[in-house]
Amino acid sequence: AQKITQTQPGMFVQEKEAVTLDCTYDTSDQSYGLFWYKQPSSGEMIFLIYQGSYDEQNATEGRYSLNFQKARKSANLVISASQLGDSAMYFCAMREGRSGGSNYKLTFGKGTLLTVNP
Amino acid sequence: KAGVTQTPRYLIKTRGQQVTLSCSPISGHRSVSWYQQTPGQGLQFLFEYFSETQRNKGNFPGRFSGRQFSNSRSEMNVSTLELGDSALYLCASSFDRLGYEQYFGPGTRLTVT
Repeated sequence: AQKITQTQPGMFVQEKEAVTLDCTYDTSDQSYGLFWYKQPSSGEMIFLIYQGSYDEQNATEGRYSLNFQKARKSANLVISASQLGDSAMYFCAMREGRSGGSNYKLTFGKGTLLTVNP
Repeated sequence: KAGVTQTPRYLIKTRGQQVTLSCSPISGHRSVSWYQQTPGQGLQFLFEYFSETQRNKGNFPGRFSGRQFSNSRSEMNVSTLELGDSALYLCASSFDRLGYEQYFGPGTRLTVT
């Protein structure tokens, strides 16, 4: 079974509008972390936002917010006021296990290609 | 502060050859992880190094190996290259194994012909 599922291969949004990118995850661990990365066409992965499994508040970083619904195992990324420069691939990722444990690696979803139209 | 650097950025090799890729983490970062990105398989974890020791390894054949030096710089080596090894290889660094932020480099794009 896939550990990270991103069901939207591609999304379109108008400039200045908000967009939600979906991510569901599967884990039996109680302690885990969820990440969102942006990958422009240049290839570099850019860290956007992090949510720990024990964090009660949804994470926010500027125009990015993470809608964390633990019971549904979803961690959707919300981008407010989209900009043309937001056009890129977006990856959801998960790190399982306790910090320092043997599972210190990121498992990525397949990604969502976001296109922002002017 | 300089970011993660990877060299070379582009590489073309022939089947059967070997290749070494280099990653210099952000100054002060001690953990380095490597990932392979292909259109078919997506992003897959290769291995993680911390304090010159491999701490975790992904599901890749033994042709893929790596090491980390005392200055935290890391290299990965792929021997007996196959066409399927063509990929973008990404390196990520973090301060330590407790850090939740991994900063990625620009990647090395390897093409095997």
